[in-house]
Amino acid sequence: DAGVTQSPTHLIKTRGQQVTLRCSPKSGHDTVSWYQQALGQGPQFIFQYYEEEERQRGNFPDRFSGHQFPNYSSELNVNALLLGDSALYLCASSRYDSSYNEQFFGPGTRLTVL
Amino acid sequence: DQQVKQNSPSLSVQEGRISILNCDYTNSMFDYFLWYKKYPAEGPTFLISISSIKDKNEDGRFTVFLNKSAKHLSLHIVPSQPGDSAVYFCAGAPLVFGKGTRLSVIA
Repeated sequence: DAGVTQSPTHLIKTRGQQVTLRCSPKSGHDTVSWYQQALGQGPQFIFQYYEEEERQRGNFPDRFSGHQFPNYSSELNVNALLLGDSALYLCASSRYDSSYNEQFFGPGTRLTVL
Repeated sequence: DQQVKQNSPSLSVQEGRISILNCDYTNSMFDYFLWYKKYPAEGPTFLISISSIKDKNEDGRFTVFLNKSAKHLSLHIVPSQPGDSAVYFCAGAPLVFGKGTRLSVIA
C-alpha cells in the first residue's frame, strides 16, 4: 500500500498564474481533505471531498477549488496566485465515516509563488 | 482568532528525560483533541487523542492530559528518545491545528 501520494513535490509559479495539485488517497479511502500549511503555522483546512462533491469548506476564497474523480483521487486548483499562497499543501485521506485519528496525510506539495 | 495555541515554538530535552508539550484552546465545542508528529518532508502522522470527556489517555511512552477548566492539554513523552525529534501539532476536532512545537531530543 503506497499510502497517500501527492504530486508534484515542489512547484514554482508567478503571481497571477493558476496551479493544480494532485492527490491519490490511501487504498480503501473515499474521502480527501486538503490543508494549507504556511511557514511557521499549523495546517489549515481548505475543503473536503466525498462522492465527487465538496462536503465541507474552511475559510478560503473561491480562488481555491477542487475536484474529486470516480477513483477517489483529487485535485486542488488555485487561480490568480498571490504571494501569500506560498505554502505546503497537504492532502489527507480517510473513510467518510471515520474519525480524525484515522485520517492519513500525504507528504505535501511545496508551492512557491514569486 | 487562534482557537488552538502552542506557545512554545521549540523545546530541547535530553534523551531519557520527560518531554512535556503544552497546548491551550479557546473553543469549548471541540469534541476531542489530537496530537500529531511531523518529520521533515513527511505529512503529519497521528500520535494520540483524548476525548473531551476524559482527563487522561495513555499509549506506551505517550500520555495526554486534559484540563477542561483551564482549557489546557499537554503531551508527555517518557522516556524521550532521539527519534522523537520532530514538530508536534496539537489539534481540536473538527480539525483546527496549533502552530506546532519543535522537539529536539539530545543524545
